[in-house]
Amino acid sequence: AQSVAQPEDQVNVAEGNPLTVKCTYSVSGNPYLFWYVQYPNRGLQFLLKYITGDNLVKGSYGFEAEFNKSQTSFHLKKPSALVSDSALYFCAVRDTSDYKLSFGAGTTVTVRA
Amino acid sequence: GAVVSQHPSWVICKSGTSVKIECRSLDFQATTMFWYRQFPKQSLMLMATSNEGSKATYEQGVEKDKFLINHASLTLSTLTVTSAHPEDSSFYICSARGAGGSSGNTIYFGEGSWLTVV
Repeated sequence: AQSVAQPEDQVNVAEGNPLTVKCTYSVSGNPYLFWYVQYPNRGLQFLLKYITGDNLVKGSYGFEAEFNKSQTSFHLKKPSALVSDSALYFCAVRDTSDYKLSFGAGTTVTVRA
Repeated sequence: GAVVSQHPSWVICKSGTSVKIECRSLDFQATTMFWYRQFPKQSLMLMATSNEGSKATYEQGVEKDKFLINHASLTLSTLTVTSAHPEDSSFYICSARGAGGSSGNTIYFGEGSWLTVV
């Protein structure tokens, strides 16, 4: 069975500073990893994914994530955070056979002006 | 990116009645759709997986007679909460997987539907 862990419930950063949201995963085979963002009372928006290829994945809204196989991590990063990045972020791993997503508990990001 | 539409966004119903939530893939054919439930400030809980033209597969602990799922076409899945009770009040989110290509590996989510049972 696959799973992901998001060790931080909350991340607070000042606008313009780098933002990192941590995620570690556990899978039996090759990981298919995803990041989604959720704004209040809204569905999930897809940010980026790692399936294969380059370890550094670039996604929407200036976000990127680095796949690290040795550390089983897939941390989400943004070089310069915006107040509008304040939201709930979910890391997810997909089962390779039936496409089910397993989500982390979520990390609330607050970017202060 | 691909668009998944959910309707209604908000619904209030009386205890004991049934309510239907629709999930549509607007610009791609969704071979598989998923239904999730989310409690405030918590993660998503997968309820069931539905494939077009076949019966849904429910996760352990989810009552299939209470949460009826129909996936009649490649662009539409519906979740019907039957005999709703206040404890069914929640945020329900659907997601869809495309038939293949670049949309096949990514799961796209709807905007969610708030259900309040009074």
